[in-house]
Amino acid sequence: SQQGEEDPQALSIQEGENATMNCSYKTSINNLQWYRQNSGRGLVHLILIRSNEREKHSGRLRVTLDTSKKSSSLLITASRAADTASYFCATDAFSGTYKYIFGTGTRLKVLA
Amino acid sequence: DAGVIQSPRHEVTEMGQEVTLRCKLISGHNSLFWYRQTMMRGLELLIYFNNNVPIDDSGMPEDRFSAKMPNASFSTLKIQPSEPRDSAVYFCASGEGTVMNTEAFFGQGTRLTVV
Repeated sequence: SQQGEEDPQALSIQEGENATMNCSYKTSINNLQWYRQNSGRGLVHLILIRSNEREKHSGRLRVTLDTSKKSSSLLITASRAADTASYFCATDAFSGTYKYIFGTGTRLKVLA
Repeated sequence: DAGVIQSPRHEVTEMGQEVTLRCKLISGHNSLFWYRQTMMRGLELLIYFNNNVPIDDSGMPEDRFSAKMPNASFSTLKIQPSEPRDSAVYFCASGEGTVMNTEAFFGQGTRLTVV
């Protein structure tokens, strides 16, 4: 399947540090999105970046997109314990039809 | 708006029984997705509707699974008969527009355990 893959799979940092997660995908896309999932909850949309955009900011979040490398990164600055969650990228992959395909996720733990 | 509402939140059933999961979309949304999440396989897209029409059901595991949208704001996912390997968290998500230009809003999920 046309699946995004995040790395690292798990990340543990101290509160106040920055966290960087990466996502790689396989085919051309129209947009890429990042979602957060707290344990036992549904996914929450964080940010959408379109294929013609290279960088986007939302509060403490910064997303970059490199379509030539088929990769994206999510940077969380000045992390907080409340940022502890799993983070997923989703791409609108085309495989007969367009559909959202999620990666395997990065589990972030922010230590207080 | 209360967001995407799924019911039940938890379901425990015996192998062979029929299971029906329910989802209420956000008012005005016209895209509906059903996902299944397990530790082994991550988030898998089962089926995608747009304007009540199934666009892609290639992720539905087998004929035991069926999904419907009887109206623009409601969907069901049915498993008949259920098997232990169907145990997972099932999410529905809705969006405004099409896959190419919208974010998806997720419900809290239904944790299904088949024993």
